[in-house]
Amino acid sequence: QSALTQPASVSGSPGQSITISCTGTSSDVGSYNLVSWYQQHPGKAPKFIIYGGGKRPSGVSNRFSGSKSGNTASLTISGLQAEDEADYYCCSYAGSSTWVFGGGTKLTVL
Amino acid sequence: EVQLVESGGGFVQPGGSLRLSCAASEFTFSSYWMHWVRQVPGKGLVWISRINSDGSTTSYADSVKGRFTISRDNAKNTLYLQMNSLRAEDTAVYYCARVFAVYYFDYWGQGTLVTVSS
Repeated sequence: QSALTQPASVSGSPGQSITISCTGTSSDVGSYNLVSWYQQHPGKAPKFIIYGGGKRPSGVSNRFSGSKSGNTASLTISGLQAEDEADYYCCSYAGSSTWVFGGGTKLTVL
Repeated sequence: EVQLVESGGGFVQPGGSLRLSCAASEFTFSSYWMHWVRQVPGKGLVWISRINSDGSTTSYADSVKGRFTISRDNAKNTLYLQMNSLRAEDTAVYYCARVFAVYYFDYWGQGTLVTVSS
C-alpha cells in the first residue's frame, strides 16, 4: 500500500487561506469518503482535525475545512494564524481493514 | 480527558523482540477499537495495525504482517504490540490511537521510541 501523495510544504501569511492536497488512488481515497486529517506540532502527538472528508470533531476551529473530489482530498485552512504552523497528514481507509497515510505537508506561516 | 500512555520502547538488536504497551484511562476501553501507528523521526505517519473492541479481529500492514501481533487486555485497559524479528527499518516512534466512528483516530498517545540497531 503506497502512501498518499501530499506536497512536502506549503506556506502562507497570517490571515490568508491555504489548501493542502492529498492524492490517492481508486483503491483508497477514490473508493471511500473516509478521509481524515491530522495536525502535528513538533514533538507532539497528532491531533484529529477533519473526518469524513469535511466534518470537524468537537472543539476544532471552523477555520479548518475539508473536501474530496475523485482520488484527491483537500484540507483548507482559512485565516491563517501562527499557531497553525505544523505538519499536516491525510489518511484514508484503504479497504480490507487497512489504512494509508499521506507523506505529510509542512505548513509555514510567514 | 482521554489518556493513552505508551511504554516499552527502547534499544534492541536486529532480530530481537520487544513488547509495547498502551495504558488507557478516562474512557471505556473495552468499547473501542484501537490502532498502532508509527513514525520514523522526521518522517511521516504509517499505519501498522488495528484490533476490534473484544480482540477477536485484527489487521496489519504488509510491512509487519507475520512479525508483529496486536492484542489487548480489557480487564487491564491495556493495548499491546508484540514485535518480533525486528529490523532496522522498524526504528520509529510508535503511537497507539483510539478509533472514532470506525475509520478515524481521535485520541493519540505521546508515543514510545523503538530503536533497532546493532
